[in-house]
Amino acid sequence: DQQVKQNSPSLSVQEGRISILNCDYTNSMFDYFLWYKKYPAEGPTFLISISSIKDKNEDGRFTVFLNKSAKHLSLHIVPSQPGDSAVYFCAAWTYNTDKLIFGTGTRLQVFP
Amino acid sequence: EAGVAQSPRYKIIEKRQSVAFWCNPISGHATLYWYQQILGQGPKLLIQFQNNGVVDDSQLPKDRFSAERLKGVDSTLKIQPAKLEDSAVYLCASSLDFRGLTNVNEQFFGPGTRLTVL
Repeated sequence: DQQVKQNSPSLSVQEGRISILNCDYTNSMFDYFLWYKKYPAEGPTFLISISSIKDKNEDGRFTVFLNKSAKHLSLHIVPSQPGDSAVYFCAAWTYNTDKLIFGTGTRLQVFP
Repeated sequence: EAGVAQSPRYKIIEKRQSVAFWCNPISGHATLYWYQQILGQGPKLLIQFQNNGVVDDSQLPKDRFSAERLKGVDSTLKIQPAKLEDSAVYLCASSLDFRGLTNVNEQFFGPGTRLTVL
């Protein structure tokens, strides 16, 4: 039972262009959605989050959009930089349980 | 501020052997989590501690896995005996006590221990 899904295992984008990473979920009771970034041999690091009552949150080059009716969220990175090359995990958090449920990740490669 | 520390970083063992992982969370963080990340998958929660008490261990294979957090600070995760399918990265994370927060409770992750079972 995969409650959080990332259907694209990889994405390749040219430097300067927009990267769009997608995530779908099945449980409408999640309170927050988060994006984590992971470099090889390191633990995931928090990138950006969005409350379930919002539809957009922006932080510098990173913007997350939430479409509750479609149970879908996306992370936009503009402009993409080579240092953004990493695995990105979408995760959902519920206040009552304080638990994170992760998707399977999308490997982003930004090439010059 | 020091991050979450884990050791060892890598471990290779043979099946049926035992292994233990250690985690030191960020100072002041009440909640500690152990995750298992199998190659190609996202991290999966094994056990969650609130101070030195277990909040959730529903995904922990208790016939072979055990974890403790004595004194509510450091934690150890043990596997005995190991199976081939236990090969994974074991991640430790910590966070503030979520009760009373009005925003999402961010979890901070350590670098993980990569376990290979032969």
